[in-house]
Amino acid sequence: SQQGEEDPQALSIQEGENATMNCSYKTSINNLQWYRQNSGRGLVHLILIRSNEREKHSGRLRVTLDTSKKSSSLLITASRAADTASYFCATVPPGANNLFFGTGTRLTVIP
Amino acid sequence: ETGVTQTPRHLVMGMTNKKSLKCEQHLGHNAMYWYKQSAKKPLELMFVYSLEERVENNSVPSRFSPECPNSSHLFLHLHTLQPEDSALYLCASSQVQGAGSGYTFGSGTRLTVV
Repeated sequence: SQQGEEDPQALSIQEGENATMNCSYKTSINNLQWYRQNSGRGLVHLILIRSNEREKHSGRLRVTLDTSKKSSSLLITASRAADTASYFCATVPPGANNLFFGTGTRLTVIP
Repeated sequence: ETGVTQTPRHLVMGMTNKKSLKCEQHLGHNAMYWYKQSAKKPLELMFVYSLEERVENNSVPSRFSPECPNSSHLFLHLHTLQPEDSALYLCASSQVQGAGSGYTFGSGTRLTVV
C-alpha cells in the first residue's frame, strides 16, 4: 500500500515531556505531511517536508525525514494537555496526485 | 473554523433514505476531496474534483454520488446506504489538485446508518 504507517499506535506522556511519533512508508515520495486530528473533528495540517529536505521546525514541532530509510518522525517538545489528539502522516508518491494517510498515532498528554 | 465548512455535523439515516452532505470553501482553492474515516482504518479517498471536474473515483459504490456545481461547493448524495457506511465523512480542499501544499479539512459529518 502507499500510505504511511505511524508508530506507536498510542502514546501516553506527562505534560512537559517530549513526544516522538514515527512514520514509515513503502515507496519513494515527493513530500510527506503531518496532520493533527482532535477527537471527532477534521484534520489540521501541521508541516510539509519535501523529499530533498531533512529537517523542518514549526514552533514546538520538529519533523525529520530520512528518505534512505523511508521514515519520518514528528517531535513535539514540552507537550501540553491541548496536544492530546491523533497524529497522521500522509505521503505523496511520485506520479500520484493525492495524499495517502496512515492510521495515526493517538497521543494523550496527562496534565 | 478552517475555511472549509461541512453540514450537517451529525446525520442519522435509515437504509432507504436519501440525504446529502454539503461542503463549502471560500479559500479560492481549485480542488476538493471527499474522504471516509472509519474506526482503525486509514482515511479512504473517495472522490477528487479539480476545477469542478471529477478527476478520481476510487471504486466507490454507486450509492455515493458526488456533485460539484462550482469550485466552492461539493456535495455527497447518499441513497440506500448500508450500516457499514457509518463513518466520519471529511471534505478537504487544496490550492490545486495534488499535494504540493497541505490540504484544508472541514470538521466532518458523522454519519450513522440504521
